[in-house]
Amino acid sequence: GAVVSQHPSRVICKSGTSVKIECRSLDFQATTMFWYRQFPKQSLMLMATSNEGSKATYEQGVEKDKFLINHASLTLSTLTVTSAHPEDSSFYICSASHTGYEQYFGPGTRLTVT
Amino acid sequence: GNSVTQMEGPVTLSEEAFLTINCTYTATGYPSLFWYVQYPGEGLQLLLKATKADDKGSNKGFEATYRKETTSFHLEKGSVQVSDSAVYFCALSAVAGGTSYGKLTFGQGTILTVHP
Repeated sequence: GAVVSQHPSRVICKSGTSVKIECRSLDFQATTMFWYRQFPKQSLMLMATSNEGSKATYEQGVEKDKFLINHASLTLSTLTVTSAHPEDSSFYICSASHTGYEQYFGPGTRLTVT
Repeated sequence: GNSVTQMEGPVTLSEEAFLTINCTYTATGYPSLFWYVQYPGEGLQLLLKATKADDKGSNKGFEATYRKETTSFHLEKGSVQVSDSAVYFCALSAVAGGTSYGKLTFGQGTILTVHP
C-alpha cells in the first residue's frame, strides 16, 4: 500500500516552454502533497506544500509564478514549470501524506531543459 | 529551527561488513524520525521509522534506535550486501501543533558503496 506515481519519469523540453508533472496517490487519499527538487548528489529541497482544494504554500525563495502547483483532488497534484530555462533542469520528486507526519514518495521526474 | 546532520560520505565497504551511518538531530519536542533510501535515478523509499523515544525501527536487516538523550538515530546493519549500495537520508518530521508539522527535514545524505 501507499504507492505514489509520477508522470512523466523523464521529460526534455525547449527553453521557454512549460512542462507539467503529475503526482498521484494510487491507493490512498492524500490530504497533503509535497514537491521537492533535488540537485545532483544533494539532498532534497522542499519547494511547496499543497493541501487538497487550497492554494499551495511555497518555501522561501521558490517562485510561485514559475512553479505552479495544483492539488485538485485527494489523489492528484500537478507541478507546472512555466517558461522553463536550463537552470530549471533537475530531479523533481513529489510525496503524499494522509497521516500528517509520514510521507510516501514518488519515483521522481527528471527534467532537462535545452 | 529543525535540523538533521548525517555523517559525511561516501562510505565504501566490503560485502558482509558492518555498517553504521550516524545521524543526529535538533528539534523541539518529540519529532518522528525516518531513514529513507534512494537508489540511482529513483525516488525515496522509506526504510524504517521511529515515532517516540527508545523506539527501534527495523527493516531488511537495518536498524535504528530513537535516542532522545543523545538526539540521535544512527542507522546500522550487521552485514551489508552489494544491493545495499544507495544513498541514505535521515529525516525528521516536526511535531503536531507547529507551523512545520508534516514537513520533513532531511540530512544531506550518505552515499554507500558496497564492493563484492
